Amino acid sequence: EAGVVQSPRYKIIEKKQPVAFWCNPISGHNTLYWYRQNLGQGPELLIRYENEEAVDDSQLPKDRFSAERLKGVDSTLKIQPAELGDSAVYLCASSPGADYQETQYFGPGTRLLVL
Amino acid sequence: EDKVVQSPLSLVVHEGDTVTLNCSYEVTNFRSLLWYKQEKKAPTFLFMLTSSGIEKKSGRLSSILDKKELFSILNITATQTGDSAVYLCAVTLTSNTGNQFYFGTGTSLTVIP
Repeated sequence: EAGVVQSPRYKIIEKKQPVAFWCNPISGHNTLYWYRQNLGQGPELLIRYENEEAVDDSQLPKDRFSAERLKGVDSTLKIQPAELGDSAVYLCASSPGADYQETQYFGPGTRLLVL
Repeated sequence: EDKVVQSPLSLVVHEGDTVTLNCSYEVTNFRSLLWYKQEKKAPTFLFMLTSSGIEKKSGRLSSILDKKELFSILNITATQTGDSAVYLCAVTLTSNTGNQFYFGTGTSLTVIP
């Protein structure tokens, strides 16, 4: 079974530039999460989707971050414009659904460096 | 404010040693506690604990939850170099939008030959 796929794996950009990350969850998984993980810290939830609906985006900095999950499958997370403090690993995870939300499967992450 | 605290922050042991990692939490509407192992990539799921006093085991790893004292421990016996990783604890709580996840900062374990 294919796992959670993320791309790109690495991204280096200059500040004020836009950047987008893509996530393809495990087939059949209704719940999708985007996390940000800073060095030496645990993952911090940015947004959670149930199918195509964003049900928890309270930690998403909405002035510069946006996300979408069209058709309830793939998802993209965008930052525009990027700031130095956005350098982190962005993790995508999925889980089968409401009864199994604790069982999260993480993708390999996208490591972002903002110069 | 809900929080999850892990200790120690880092640990260096020799192969064959036994280690105990700690996770304490202060959250409302607790649902479950999860342990993950994170090497130089994404976290991988180890255990989910929902009930006090019931030990979960997988090979040399085991974990138990104490809901009264609000903590969990993760034990690794006969450590191997492949156990070197960051071990993350996460707590889920129920909310009106479903489950919320809070991660601790992790314990970095290094096992030296």
